[in-house]
Amino acid sequence: ETGVTQSPTHLIKTRGQQVTLRCSSQSGHNTVSWYQQALGQGPQFIFQYYREEENGRGNFPPRFSGLQFPNYSSELNVNALELDDSALYLCASSLGAGGTYNEQFFGPGTRLTVL
Amino acid sequence: GNSVTQMEGPVTLSEEAFLTINCTYTATGYPSLFWYVQYPGEGLQLLLKATKADDKGSNKGFEATYRKETTSFHLEKGSVQVSDSAVYFCALGETGANNLFFGTGTRLTVIP
Repeated sequence: ETGVTQSPTHLIKTRGQQVTLRCSSQSGHNTVSWYQQALGQGPQFIFQYYREEENGRGNFPPRFSGLQFPNYSSELNVNALELDDSALYLCASSLGAGGTYNEQFFGPGTRLTVL
Repeated sequence: GNSVTQMEGPVTLSEEAFLTINCTYTATGYPSLFWYVQYPGEGLQLLLKATKADDKGSNKGFEATYRKETTSFHLEKGSVQVSDSAVYFCALGETGANNLFFGTGTRLTVIP
């Protein structure tokens, strides 16, 4: 069973640029959630995708957007990067969404640095 | 709203010492509670969970009991090992919702 993988591992961008982060969900999982973890903080929920549709969103501006593909892999896109976007971005996959809580399995994260 | 308040670290203990990491929560409904662990260079891993009041979650010698009356879910281990050195996150998942609310994390370092 393949776990959750993310790419790239590290990324450096400059303010105003755009970035795309990628996540492959664990085999058999149809739901992907994205979290932002700033240095020294706990992860904060960005949004979730379930069967290719957005299924809930945290308190993040519209310049954070996402996609889920038919194979349930996912992308997180961030436009007009700001210095405060520097963080570890975590992807988590699960089987099902909402209802009774479904355990989320996390990837190792992508470390984004905005200069 | 939902929130998790976690004991600030860092915490440094000698091997075989007793560990407690405090966690309290605020929730609008009947949440499930979790402890996640993040080892250096790795992703978050679920350590244990409890889905209703008075449930006790346990794994790898760690335990936590869901206390509704004190809105707490403190993590304990009777004898820590060097390999337990990691960052520990308390988290809350609301039934019917689709995301987790995390505390700020507590870094534990166990020295031989």
